[in-house]
Amino acid sequence: DAKTTQPTSMDCAEGRAANLPCNHSTISGNEYVYWYRQIHSQGPQYIIHGLKNNETNEMASLIITEDRKSSTLILPHATLRDTAVYYCIAPRYNKLIFGAGTRLAVHP
Amino acid sequence: DVKVTQSSRYLVKRTGEKVFLECVQDMDHENMFWYRQDPGLGLRLIYFSYDVKMKEKGDIPEGYSVSREKKERFSLILESASTNQTSMYLCASSPVVRPLDTDTQYFGPGTRLTVL
Repeated sequence: DAKTTQPTSMDCAEGRAANLPCNHSTISGNEYVYWYRQIHSQGPQYIIHGLKNNETNEMASLIITEDRKSSTLILPHATLRDTAVYYCIAPRYNKLIFGAGTRLAVHP
Repeated sequence: DVKVTQSSRYLVKRTGEKVFLECVQDMDHENMFWYRQDPGLGLRLIYFSYDVKMKEKGDIPEGYSVSREKKERFSLILESASTNQTSMYLCASSPVVRPLDTDTQYFGPGTRLTVL
């Protein structure tokens, strides 16, 4: 897996956009960037993934820089239920390596 | 929606007992995985399987075995439970056929196992 680096924690006000950054400077050309999140006492939940182009789904948007060395997960209107640990992963050979992730706290 | 279920949310066993953790997925996925999650160590892969009766060791297979007799079911077995196997166990499945590719993994709710 390419090594990924994320901030340890972030805060966000309810209703505002949460922008979670991830650095993956060693990513290779065919490695996707995946984002998962884990709400307390639950299993990880898939959010979104991308290779080169920006992606959007019903949960979030993923912005990948042109050089692919970093990406940003955007939760456009954060709610209290988005409080979780968010993991940025660049897996290889179907192997997910979950690091410490970013602990996002959404507050009223 | 993909559904991955695990037999128990909480389990308490004694040292030396044989423990079975069951995982079932309902989306006809080829790949299934077992992880354990411990504070400060993240998720670590124990075993995975990319087909019925096929299994591959992950990063920490010692003390564990697995069984996949049917496509939808993947069992994790602790032959003789020890206190250092107290952990959260997570099962996942993914639809990719080729074992070297990467695809989205869908996780179950987890089983919190305590070994006394």
